[in-house]
Amino acid sequence: AQSVTQLGSHVSVSEGALVLLRCNYSSSVPPYLFWYVQYPNQGLQLLLKYTSAATLVKGINGFEAEFKKSETSFHLTKPSAHMSDAAEYFCAVSEGGGYQKVTFGTGTKLQVIP
Amino acid sequence: DTAVSQTPKYLVTQMGNDKSIKCEQNLGHDTMYWYKQDSKKFLKIMFSYNNKELIINETVPNRFSPKSPDKAHLNLHINSLELGDSAVYFCASSPQRESRTQYFGPGTRLLVL
Repeated sequence: AQSVTQLGSHVSVSEGALVLLRCNYSSSVPPYLFWYVQYPNQGLQLLLKYTSAATLVKGINGFEAEFKKSETSFHLTKPSAHMSDAAEYFCAVSEGGGYQKVTFGTGTKLQVIP
Repeated sequence: DTAVSQTPKYLVTQMGNDKSIKCEQNLGHDTMYWYKQDSKKFLKIMFSYNNKELIINETVPNRFSPKSPDKAHLNLHINSLELGDSAVYFCASSPQRESRTQYFGPGTRLLVL
C-alpha cells in the first residue's frame, strides 16, 4: 500500500535561508510523487511532480525536489526562503496502474521569519 | 475562468440537518474527487468518480452520498449532520490516465453546531 511520511509538522526558517521539507514514501511499484502547497483558506495547488523522468524535478516559485529511490525520499528544497513561501506543504504519492488514488502526507507548516 | 469551483464556500448548520455541497470543473477532466481536511490539516480522500462512475469509495459513513450528474459536476450530500463532520471539504479533478495531478477547488468550510 502506498503512503508518505512527512518529517516535521512545523519548520521555521529565516528569510533568505535554505528551505528543506522532508518526505519519505512507501510504494510497491514505481510511484508518482507530488508536492502541493496550501496557502491559508485556499485549496491545494501543485508545486511539482515526479513521473519517472528526471530524478531532479523543478517546480514553481523556485522549488525543486529530488527523487532518491535508494532512500525512498522526495525532499523539497528552495535555496532562499521568501516571506510569501509561508504555507502548508503536502507530499503525496500515487502508485501506477488503475485509477488515480493519491495519498497525501500529514503536511508541514513552513514559517518564514523576517 | 475558474477551473474548479465549489458552492457554498462556508456552511454553518445544526446537528441533524441535511446539506449539499456542489462542485463544478471546466477543465474537461474525466475524474473528480471529494476530500475531507480535518482541523489538523490531514487530507483524506472520500470518493472519486470517473465519467460519472464511482471508482473510489473510502470508508465513509453512508450518510455521505456523492452524485455525479455529468463528468463536469460532482455533488456531495450529507444526511443527519454530526459534530465530527465539521471540516473543510475539497473537490478536485484530474485528467484520466495523466500523471494524476489533482486540481483543487477552494474548499467548503462546514461547521456543525
